[in-house]
Amino acid sequence: AQKVTQAQTEISVVEKEDVTLDCVYETRDTTYYLFWYKQPPSGELVFLIRRNSFDEQNEISGRYSWNFQKSTSSFNFTITASQVVDSAVYFCALSQGGKLIFGQGTELSVK
Amino acid sequence: GAVVSQHPSWVICKSGTSVKIECRSLDFQATTMFWYRQFPKQSLMLMATSNEGSKATYEQGVEKDKFLINHASLTLSTLTVTSAHPEDSSFYICSATKTRAGTDWLNEQFFGPGTRLTVL
Repeated sequence: AQKVTQAQTEISVVEKEDVTLDCVYETRDTTYYLFWYKQPPSGELVFLIRRNSFDEQNEISGRYSWNFQKSTSSFNFTITASQVVDSAVYFCALSQGGKLIFGQGTELSVK
Repeated sequence: GAVVSQHPSWVICKSGTSVKIECRSLDFQATTMFWYRQFPKQSLMLMATSNEGSKATYEQGVEKDKFLINHASLTLSTLTVTSAHPEDSSFYICSATKTRAGTDWLNEQFFGPGTRLTVL
């Protein structure tokens, strides 16, 4: 069965700190996609990144970076120099055949 | 672009009434639309997959007679919560994929802003 685990329910950091959000997934398939979404208090999901299972290159986009490691089935997300506007719930998700399976989410609070 | 809208953005209704939520793809044709439900402080759970012109496929545990889904056109899917009760109060989110093109068309979903349903 497919599963996504975000073990950190809530994280609180002080502005300018770096923070890493963990995501571990389970799947038996060799072809799959991984996503990160941001959900601010308004509720609308904001797409951050999509990565397919054959592309293990790490990615950096501004203050955001992602570390994909198939050997540990992890797809972690790091925010560098966090800002108050980063406060939101972040979801990691796994897609197979179009169905998105979301993790439980990590609520990040930047003060 | 790939914009998905939902209407209404929020609705309050009395127990026992039915509520219809619309999901529209504004600038693309959506062969497939998905409906999710999110309870407070919880994750998104897929309720059903809706393909244009055919019956929706419901996830296990979702009552198809209670949550009626219609996808009559390539730009519109509707979710009707019939005889709503307080436990149906939730945040309902739809997403859409573009018309089939390429090999990974199913893996790029565009989300609507959500509809907050409160049943009194």
